[in-house]
Amino acid sequence: DVKVTQSSRYLVKRTGEKVFLECVQDMDHENMFWYRQDPGLGLRLIYFSYDVKMKEKGDIPEGYSVSREKKERFSLILESASTNQTSMYLCASSPLDRGPNNEQFFGPGTRLTVL
Amino acid sequence: AQTVTQSQPEMSVQEAETVTLSCTYDTSESDYYLFWYKQPPSRQMILVIRQEAYKQQNATENRFSVNFQKAAKSFSLKISDSQLGDAAMYFCAYRSEVYAGNMLTFGGGTRLMVKP
Repeated sequence: DVKVTQSSRYLVKRTGEKVFLECVQDMDHENMFWYRQDPGLGLRLIYFSYDVKMKEKGDIPEGYSVSREKKERFSLILESASTNQTSMYLCASSPLDRGPNNEQFFGPGTRLTVL
Repeated sequence: AQTVTQSQPEMSVQEAETVTLSCTYDTSESDYYLFWYKQPPSRQMILVIRQEAYKQQNATENRFSVNFQKAAKSFSLKISDSQLGDAAMYFCAYRSEVYAGNMLTFGGGTRLMVKP
């Protein structure tokens, strides 16, 4: 089974802190994604990566950065956390191929609260 | 850019009955994929069913089926014989075949409650 893990289920940080959210997948997937989930807004893509050291901005990249030094690991960084970044963060991975059976596999999510 | 709309923030269904969740999308593309994902409370999101836009036949997975109306840009999910374990957030998602990256565009979600 594909397994996507995230470093924390719950995280509480203070405004201005630097925050690292870690995601690891064990299926050798090329693609990895970071989403933010808010009520009524669904999931919105922050950043994605299709290869080591490669990254592409999603729909809402402002205030975030990412790092992918190894294929299995994709980190989301909040350089200076703000209260409006309080949210659920979901990581996902998928193979590179674009066939009909391609799907994204999700981690359990990290619920981040910024005080 | 594509948009996905789920007009029902919450739905409820009696156990063993049938419920239909609505999804509409906006795109100018002709080739794409549509998905329904399920997010149980405090559990990971999983894929329920997928539909290729070039296929006219509606996808079916056990108790889950879709009604795909390409011209109307509608993609509803029907859950038959609802079970307590079906209670979850359900997200409709779109994947372009034009743009690289396998990115998904999600709707706002529908919370499904199942009454015993």
